[in-house]
Amino acid sequence: DAKTTQPPSMDCAEGRAANLPCNHSTISGNEYVYWYRQIHSQGPQYIIHGLKNNETNEMASLIITEDRKSSTLILPHATLRDTAVYYCIVRALITYDPRGNEKLTFGTGTRLTIIP
Amino acid sequence: DSGVTQTPKHLITATGQRVTLRCSPRSGDLSVYWYQQSLDQGLQFLIQYYNGEERAKGNILERFSAQQFPDLHSELNLSSLELGDSALYFCASSVTDVNTEAFFGQGTRLTVV
Repeated sequence: DAKTTQPPSMDCAEGRAANLPCNHSTISGNEYVYWYRQIHSQGPQYIIHGLKNNETNEMASLIITEDRKSSTLILPHATLRDTAVYYCIVRALITYDPRGNEKLTFGTGTRLTIIP
Repeated sequence: DSGVTQTPKHLITATGQRVTLRCSPRSGDLSVYWYQQSLDQGLQFLIQYYNGEERAKGNILERFSAQQFPDLHSELNLSSLELGDSALYFCASSVTDVNTEAFFGQGTRLTVV
């Protein structure tokens, strides 16, 4: 799986858009970009994923650059409850790999703090 | 609520002991993953089962073992516990073995004293 690079921490004012960057310059053509978040010691929560088109759901938007080497997760109107560690993961959706690579590999993520 | 249930929520035990952590996946999910998260550390993948069979193995110690039962619930067994095994243990489930839209439980906090 391709490696990702995220800033270790970010602050955002409540009510503003939070833009979390992720660099995945070695991403392969069949690898998707996934975002999860973990609110203090809770189980990680799936947010969104995409391949090359921008994606939006009720939680967030995902903007992937044309060359797919980086992406940005956008929380449009951040609230205090969005304070969490955000993980950017790249993962290929492939059929069963006998090498056993179906796992999600979490990096260190970005600790996002929403400021009142 | 993710639909993944882990029990117990908290567990305190002494060094050298053995414990069993239990995970009930979401209804219909065939794949179960186990992760360990030590204090201020990232999520470390331990092991994955799909429909009762071991599918992938990560950095799981030999003192640890797991299984998935016919009703699809899974258990993680930790033996000869050491202080360093104190951590949050998360279980996740997904529909297939390659679908990485996984849903996580709330974890079991294990404290070894």
